Amino acid sequence: NAGVTQTPKFRILKIGQSMTLQCAQDMNHNYMYWYRQDPGMGLKLIYYSVGAGITDKGEVPNGYNVSRSTTEDFPLRLELAAPSQTSVYFCASNHRGLANEKLFFGSGTQLSVL
Amino acid sequence: GESVGLHLPTLSVQEGDNSIINCAYSNSASDYFIWYKQESGKGPQFIIDIRSNMDKRQGQRVTVLLNKTVKHLSLQIAATQPGDSAVYFCAEKTSYDKVIFGPGTSLSVIP
Repeated sequence: NAGVTQTPKFRILKIGQSMTLQCAQDMNHNYMYWYRQDPGMGLKLIYYSVGAGITDKGEVPNGYNVSRSTTEDFPLRLELAAPSQTSVYFCASNHRGLANEKLFFGSGTQLSVL
Repeated sequence: GESVGLHLPTLSVQEGDNSIINCAYSNSASDYFIWYKQESGKGPQFIIDIRSNMDKRQGQRVTVLLNKTVKHLSLQIAATQPGDSAVYFCAEKTSYDKVIFGPGTSLSVIP
């Protein structure tokens, strides 16, 4: 199993550009999450999804959009990139209803907006 | 609002000593708590979890304690090793199914 796969690993954007961070999991998990982690800080929840077709805002959703058309994929869209969105982005997934609901994380996408 | 925070941002311990990392949470309705370890340049790795109907849970060299009265969580690492050097995060699952992370504690093991 590949687990949670994020692409790209690194990206540099100019202010105002848009991009989509890809996230895919092959564990048939129903829940998926997007977090951002600024240098020396903890993870902040951007958006999450409890299943295909259902998404909800986290702690810091402004400037981002998500969709969940399939169980496997949960892309994160930045429409108008701003320097404040420079961060490392982590996608995670888990399956609720089990004894262990730990999150499985991808390896992250390092994004710089200049 | 919801928040999870740590009392100590950095912690240095001698190799072989026990480490204790603390965490405070504010959402009394949270029912599931998780500790993660993050090494430089990597994603968080699961260490141990505990549900709100438990006070203590033990793993291999790690123990998590939950005090619901004061909304406090701690991670104890026995016989700390150099490989334990990392940033440690606590996280809580809130009543709205969000998983919220605290700011993290950096653990440094002195050989």
